[in-house]
Amino acid sequence: ETGVTQTPRHLVMGMTNKKSLKCEQHLGHNAMYWYKQSAKKPLELMFVYSLEERVENNSVPSRFSPECPNSSHLFLHLHTLQPEDSALYLCASSQGTGTEKLFFGSGTQLSVL
Amino acid sequence: DQQVKQNSPSLSVQEGRISILNCDYTNSMFDYFLWYKKYPAEGPTFLISISSIKDKNEDGRFTVFLNKSAKHLSLHIVPSQPGDSAVYFCAASAQRGSYIPTFGRGTSLIVHP
Repeated sequence: ETGVTQTPRHLVMGMTNKKSLKCEQHLGHNAMYWYKQSAKKPLELMFVYSLEERVENNSVPSRFSPECPNSSHLFLHLHTLQPEDSALYLCASSQGTGTEKLFFGSGTQLSVL
Repeated sequence: DQQVKQNSPSLSVQEGRISILNCDYTNSMFDYFLWYKKYPAEGPTFLISISSIKDKNEDGRFTVFLNKSAKHLSLHIVPSQPGDSAVYFCAASAQRGSYIPTFGRGTSLIVHP
C-alpha cells in the first residue's frame, strides 16, 4: 500500500474515554504532521515531527498527546476530550526539505459526546 | 489573525466556463504557495504550486497566478468540469523560515453540468 494511511476512519468517544489515532506513511518521508479541520475553519497545525523529533507544537491542549516511534508512524493519543474537539484529524507527511508538499491521509472523523 | 485568507467560502460555475479561486496573504515572508483539493471523506491532495520568483505556473487546465505586490494569488480552472467540484485550500510557506505551510479556510467549488 502506498501513501498515507490513517485509522480509524471514524471514531465516537465519550469525554472520559482514552483512544489513539494512528497514521502510517509509505513514502519514505522524514516529516509527519497532525492537522485539525473544524467546520469553516482553516486547517490548524497541531504537531510536527521531523526525523522523529517534535519540532513544533502549536499550543495544543495536553489532552492531545502525539507519539512518533519512527519516521513511518505517528500516533495521536486522546484523553478526556471535550465536545468542541470534534473535528476531522488529518495526518500528513513530507520530505522535510523546504518546499513542503504535504501528502495527507484520509483523516479520522472524531465525534466527542 | 489569519495569515492566509480565502474570503469566498463557496463558488458555483457552469461546466465549460472558467473557475477563479482567490487567496490573499499577509505575511511578506511567504515565498512559496500551494493549492490543495479536497473531496468529501478524503484528505487534501496537492494540486499546483508556485514560487515567488514566478508570477504564473500552469499545469493542464490549472493555472496559478501570483501578484506579490498585492499579496494575492488565484487559481484558474479552464474549462471547469463537474469532477472539479471540491474544496480548494490555499497554503503558503516561507522557505527560509518555518517551511510548514499555513492554510486558508478553503473555498467550496461546485461545477454544474
